[in-house]
Amino acid sequence: DADVTQTPRNRITKTGKRIMLECSQTKGHDRMYWYRQDPGLGLRLIYYSFDVKDINKGEISDGYSVSRQAQAKFSLSLESAIPNQTALYFCATSDLHEASQFFGPGTRLTVL
Amino acid sequence: GQQLNQSPQSMFIQEGEDVSMNCTSSSIFNTWLWYKQDPGEGPVLLIALYKAGELTSNGRLTAQFGITRKDSFLNISASIPSDVGIYFCAGLSNQGGKLIFGQGTELSVKP
Repeated sequence: DADVTQTPRNRITKTGKRIMLECSQTKGHDRMYWYRQDPGLGLRLIYYSFDVKDINKGEISDGYSVSRQAQAKFSLSLESAIPNQTALYFCATSDLHEASQFFGPGTRLTVL
Repeated sequence: GQQLNQSPQSMFIQEGEDVSMNCTSSSIFNTWLWYKQDPGEGPVLLIALYKAGELTSNGRLTAQFGITRKDSFLNISASIPSDVGIYFCAGLSNQGGKLIFGQGTELSVKP
């Protein structure tokens, strides 16, 4: 079984709809992250959480919100989706004492 | 904020050729990481570098942590078709322990 899972893997939605992307991990890591990937821009950090009670904005948090429901679960919400939020979204985890992050398989989101 | 410039953006090479890519920054990083993303998948860690001047290999891949701590290089020797993908460098930020990613190098290998 995969250590970091994301649901859904693909989603097509319309402008103005509320969308939630979910991430679960079995690695036992405290730290979790949400990134978005756009062609030519690499991975940009949206939000991150260093433990269940900790939530921090990343580089591009506008238009997004997150919830850390448990150590193993971190969800990303788009309250009112817009077309320029069409992208590939990745969840990642890391251990407290390690720099390296482990990524989920990604969610491809299309906003029409 | 801290930024990484990764080059080249894309490479088209023949199977068997060697490949070099690099990342540079105006900021110092204390850890450099190199990831590979296969089509349709999330990035996977290839090599981690923790010390200035460090040279580390993983099979046909070799990465170096620059002496100035502002750059890193990845070399792939004798490329094969399964090397196709996007390669990302990442530096550990000194602001809150986050990773800063380069823009990626997309590698295509012609059999």
